[in-house]
Amino acid sequence: DIQMTQSPSTLSASVGDRVTITCRASQSISGWLAWYQHKPGKVPRLLISKASSLESGVPSRFSGSGSGTEFTLTISSLQPDDFATYYCQQYITYSHTFGQGTKLEIK
Amino acid sequence: EVQLVESGGGLVQPGRSLRLSCRASGFTFGDYGMHWVRQAPGKGLEWVGFIKSKDDGETRAYAASVQGRFTISRDDSKNVAYLQMSSLQTEDTAVFYCVRGRRPLSGPSGHYFDYWGQGARVTVSS
Repeated sequence: DIQMTQSPSTLSASVGDRVTITCRASQSISGWLAWYQHKPGKVPRLLISKASSLESGVPSRFSGSGSGTEFTLTISSLQPDDFATYYCQQYITYSHTFGQGTKLEIK
Repeated sequence: EVQLVESGGGLVQPGRSLRLSCRASGFTFGDYGMHWVRQAPGKGLEWVGFIKSKDDGETRAYAASVQGRFTISRDDSKNVAYLQMSSLQTEDTAVFYCVRGRRPLSGPSGHYFDYWGQGARVTVSS
């Protein structure tokens, strides 16, 4: 099975900061990667598919890049609503593996 | 509006069975693969399994952690997906989400997840 590893596990940042979360796959997944935002008590929200395609309604401060085994999610200027846990997920295989999550906290 | 509503969660003893249901509305249910994703307390998201659409052969796949114990089915006439869980273990305690899968127009057969239900809480405890 393909393993997905996110770094860091926790990230402390301030409103207005630019932050980057990394997701690495144990083998190439081409560009078949999605990113999700999950807040406590809420339903996970799809942000990006195919590594860099922003979903409708997602603010443009979110962007994704990468291919093969290394991917990044960047938030260009953190807003108060962005503090949450972020997950990557591969969908090149049926195992549909998630990364372990990156918790974005207020500094 | 796409809606996914889970039901059937609750407290169950180890070794027993439980069936979750997911009632869908707001889209052509039969056209989509349906997944179950869970989140144990204090843990991250874990994909549990899925069933493809009838046109895709209703292929099923499961995570290794539930293979042989969990079964996913669907009834397109009722717009419902099911997760039958047997031989439940304390480690299966989690919130279980019903999720709609989106397959890329071209590319692999895997899905990403565009709509999620509110989740059904399952607690396995004696």
